[in-house]
Amino acid sequence: GENVEQHPSTLSVQEGDSAVIKCTYSDSASNYFPWYKQELGKGPQLIIDIRSNVGEKKDQRIAVTLNKTAKHFSLHITETQPEDSAVYFCAASSNSGGYQKVTFGIGTKLQVIP
Amino acid sequence: GAVVSQHPSRVICKSGTSVKIECRSLDFQATTMFWYRQFPKQSLMLMATSNEGSKATYEQGVEKDKFLINHASLTLSTLTVTSAHPEDSSFYICSASVSLNTEAFFGQGTRLTVV
Repeated sequence: GENVEQHPSTLSVQEGDSAVIKCTYSDSASNYFPWYKQELGKGPQLIIDIRSNVGEKKDQRIAVTLNKTAKHFSLHITETQPEDSAVYFCAASSNSGGYQKVTFGIGTKLQVIP
Repeated sequence: GAVVSQHPSRVICKSGTSVKIECRSLDFQATTMFWYRQFPKQSLMLMATSNEGSKATYEQGVEKDKFLINHASLTLSTLTVTSAHPEDSSFYICSASVSLNTEAFFGQGTRLTVV
């Protein structure tokens, strides 16, 4: 099955700096890579995603890159703000037995220091 | 994005009783719904996948007789934790997707505490 590794597990940055979270995956059949932000006591919220036919995607301060050859993808947050503080999960998704199966990384706790 | 509503958000039940958690897709039809369990400070662990109108597919190690999943319509899936025990206390989260290769939207989660 798929194995997704995510690092770092914790990340502290000063407000205004950039934050980068990296993930690797093992299953070359994975073709969809979403990123989720989870605030305490809430369900994950999709913040950005990328498909395997694209190398980079950007949405305002958030960008994601994908290297299919190396099987790794990264989340970049620029100009971080205190409200960016949360746990971020990467995920890799593939079709398995006729349905979409999502495997999550272990999560990165991001703390933005004002 | 699409909205997935999960109810209740918090529930406390006595050991030995059963509790039902609902997951509804409010503005789209969800062919597939997923149920996850999350322990404190850990990632989401997939418990089972349910396709509307068919039996759920459970991940290895998940007891299907204990965690009953029903996906009777394209907008509703339920997870029933039967004969709950304190070790079942956890954060349960559902997600729903329209079809293959489309993003999954998550519910708000349900904090289950078994006393």
